[in-house]
Amino acid sequence: ILNVEQSPQSLHVQEGDSTNFTCSFPSSNFYALHWYRWETAKSPEALFVMTLNGDEKKKGRISATLNTKEGYSYLYIKGSQPEDSATYLCALSSGYSTLTFGKGTMLLVSP
Amino acid sequence: EPEVTQTPSHQVTQMGQEVILRCVPISNHLYFYWYRQILGQKVEFLVSFYNNEISEKSEIFDDQFSVERPDGSNFTLKIRSTKLEDSAMYFCASSLLAGATDTQYFGPGTRLTVL
Repeated sequence: ILNVEQSPQSLHVQEGDSTNFTCSFPSSNFYALHWYRWETAKSPEALFVMTLNGDEKKKGRISATLNTKEGYSYLYIKGSQPEDSATYLCALSSGYSTLTFGKGTMLLVSP
Repeated sequence: EPEVTQTPSHQVTQMGQEVILRCVPISNHLYFYWYRQILGQKVEFLVSFYNNEISEKSEIFDDQFSVERPDGSNFTLKIRSTKLEDSAMYFCASSLLAGATDTQYFGPGTRLTVL
């Protein structure tokens, strides 16, 4: 059974703060890591798919890095805005079409 | 932008009743999935479906569950006799291909409450 862990469980920051959170996963049988952003009552939105060790991806103020050897990925948000408030999910793909999710990090950005 | 839609957004049912959750995947996608999230727990894979057949299923997806693509657009999940522990948010997803790097696009979910 694959175990994907995310930390912290929740985070409360002020507008303008930069923040980051972690996704940890078993480094064996790694194929890809997916990051999603999920706002309440909306569809989880795909942010990044990462495959190679050392990968860095960026989308606006959000970026992510990947270390497949030690089994972790960081998600960074620069200059957080209230609209960034959401749950950020990571999911591991191990060669099949199924995704194994972490529990998510719930981010709240206060104005 | 194309999106996955799900109906209803919230379903309340009595234990033992049958429920059908409906999804309309993105129109040119070929692979379809159901996941669920019990409150406070991780999102869990239930089943994947391709070419009118189940391609993979998890241990959760027992005989009480079934999936169907009754026409060219809908993809349904049926729970034959609901239990209290089936209460969860059920997500449908679709993808064009089924490789490890292919993005699965999720619907907004159906919250199922079993009383």
